[in-house]
Order: sequence, then C-alpha cells, then structure tokens
Amino acid sequence: GAGVSQTPSNKVTEKGKYVELRCDPISGHTALYWYRQSLGQGPEFLIYFQGTGAADDSGLPNDRFFAVRPEGSVSTLKIQRTERGDSAVYLCASSLLLGDEQFFGPGTRLTVL
Amino acid sequence: QKEVEQDPGPLSVPEGAIVSLNCTYSNSAFQYFMWYRQYSRKGPELLMYTYSSGNKEDGRFTAQVDKSSKYISLFIRDSQPSDSATYLCAMSVQTGANNLFFGTGTRLTVIP
Repeated sequence: GAGVSQTPSNKVTEKGKYVELRCDPISGHTALYWYRQSLGQGPEFLIYFQGTGAADDSGLPNDRFFAVRPEGSVSTLKIQRTERGDSAVYLCASSLLLGDEQFFGPGTRLTVL
Repeated sequence: QKEVEQDPGPLSVPEGAIVSLNCTYSNSAFQYFMWYRQYSRKGPELLMYTYSSGNKEDGRFTAQVDKSSKYISLFIRDSQPSDSATYLCAMSVQTGANNLFFGTGTRLTVIP
C-alpha cells in the first residue's frame, strides 16, 4: 500500500515569506508526527497529533510554526515569516496507534534564501 | 550536551566486513531503543527495536543495549554495498511516547 507522502518534495522561498508543507499519512493511521532534520543532524521532534488535536507541540521552535490536522488525516505544517535558519528537511511520520512504529515520509526540503 | 550522542563518521568498510555503530545517551529514563536506516533523500526506516537491556538479532543485524553504561550498538555482519546509508539511533522514555530522540546519524559506505 501507499506510504506516507509529503508535498512538495522541495520548496525554495525567500526570507520573510509564508510556507505550507503537506503530509498525507498512511490510511487509517491515527497518530501523525512532524520532525525537522537539519543538515548532518538527526530528526528533531516538532509536534504530534492524535486524531485531530495537537497532543504535544513542545518541539515547535517558536510561534512562527503552526500545524493543523483538521479531519484527522492530512496535516499541514505552516511557517510564517520564514528565516534562513528554518532551512531543513521537514519529515512527517505516522503510526497506526500512538507508540506504534513510526513510518516516515521522504520529507520536504525547505530552503530559505 | 545532547541527550543522544552518535559519531557522525563517515565510516567506510569493504564488502563483507563487520560494522559496529554506537550511541551513548545521558537520560537514564530512556527505555526503548531503535535503529533507523536512512538512504539519501529518503525518510528513515525502522531496522531494529529493543526494550531495556539485552541483545536482539535479526538476520545480519544485531542490536545491543547496555543501560548501565548508557550505550547501545548495532552490528552488521557480512556488510553489503546496499547497506550504504546513514544509520540513526533513536530512543524514547516509554512505549506510547510521542517523540523520539535521535542521534546525529553515522554515514556508512560499504565498498564493493
């Protein structure tokens, strides 16, 4: 079956612009996670959803970052007033239930010029 | 100090060699330990999952956890060129934990 998909695969934007990154989890998976992976680093947790609600957003770096999952499936990570330091690969993962194996998407590579 | 430390490498070995990858950690509350493999421009995929101390074997892969030393290892026997990837260790405090704590990853190249 289809895995986790993320769009776009690459996004180049200018400093100060707004971007949206989309994640389509595996069908039926209730938990969805967002991570950020900077060059040469491991993924860092940002936020996770159980159903429609953001159960833990403690990893979001500041209030420029926001994520939604309105219908409990697709999620969008939104970044306002992008900064060069936001450049990274943004990974999405989903699991059938909270605590189950997390299946990762290929990521969206964000470059802020 | 990061909670999970991992030598980034890079590590190059000849085909057929035994590879040893390691991570150390500082948070004694970590109970669940994982190894992920990440190919270039792909998301991580789970290789091994262990709970608490001990060994776990799966084919050519063996994961070891030593909680007393806060040290985990992944061994790859008879390494193949297709094993060339970045290997990430990850840990969590409890099952059902929402977030994983990753190491930086070790880049491995297996030379034919």
